[in-house]
Amino acid sequence: EVQLVESGGGLVKPGGSLRLSCAASGFSFNDAWMSWVRQAPGKGLEWVGRIQRKADGGTTDYVAPVKGRFTISRDDSKNTLFLQMNSLKTDDTAVYYCAKEWFGAIDYWGQGTLVTVSS
Amino acid sequence: DIVMTQTPLSSPVTLGQPASISCRSSQSLVHSDGNTYLSWLQQRPGQPPRLLIYKISNRFSGVPDRFSGSGAGTDFTLKISRVEAEDVGVYYCMQATQSLTFGGGTKVEIK
Repeated sequence: EVQLVESGGGLVKPGGSLRLSCAASGFSFNDAWMSWVRQAPGKGLEWVGRIQRKADGGTTDYVAPVKGRFTISRDDSKNTLFLQMNSLKTDDTAVYYCAKEWFGAIDYWGQGTLVTVSS
Repeated sequence: DIVMTQTPLSSPVTLGQPASISCRSSQSLVHSDGNTYLSWLQQRPGQPPRLLIYKISNRFSGVPDRFSGSGAGTDFTLKISRVEAEDVGVYYCMQATQSLTFGGGTKVEIK
């Protein structure tokens, strides 16, 4: 059974940093492209960024509002995905989902972790 | 960036009746590999999203056959043949041909 379990969310002040983790199980993590998707309270889904599998180059890609502030990385030896978030803004307040990509879709989602940026 | 536009924003439906959601992309979603990476997701209240349809018209594992997808190029449609109570939620289209973007969502509710 595929499982994606996020952790690391919480309350942080504007300008602060937070690191989210996603523990993956039930599939070959090293073979998967992985994404982070966020959802602000009462709003729609926004893709944050992705990391390719190492066999495809391990390249990262981000949505414009987070470029230069957020970094996605992976530890295939620990089946774990990370999202390092720096210079956080109030607009970054959202539930952050870890997501597994598959044939140009997202086939599995975690339950999400809430990040609140507020003074 | 590819912009995905969904209509309607909200769709009140009678139980047992059909529902249809439209999704239009700002440019063709045909990838250089020949595939069209357009998928549909359902998000029930309080739940993470769930994949329904991938590559325009392929139902994901466990998805009831009352859900179907169609379209090509820039225009796509999700149809529910007979809406059931468990279908209430927000539906999103998503493209992964160029990076990844979501439509704004369509709320399906029971009349």
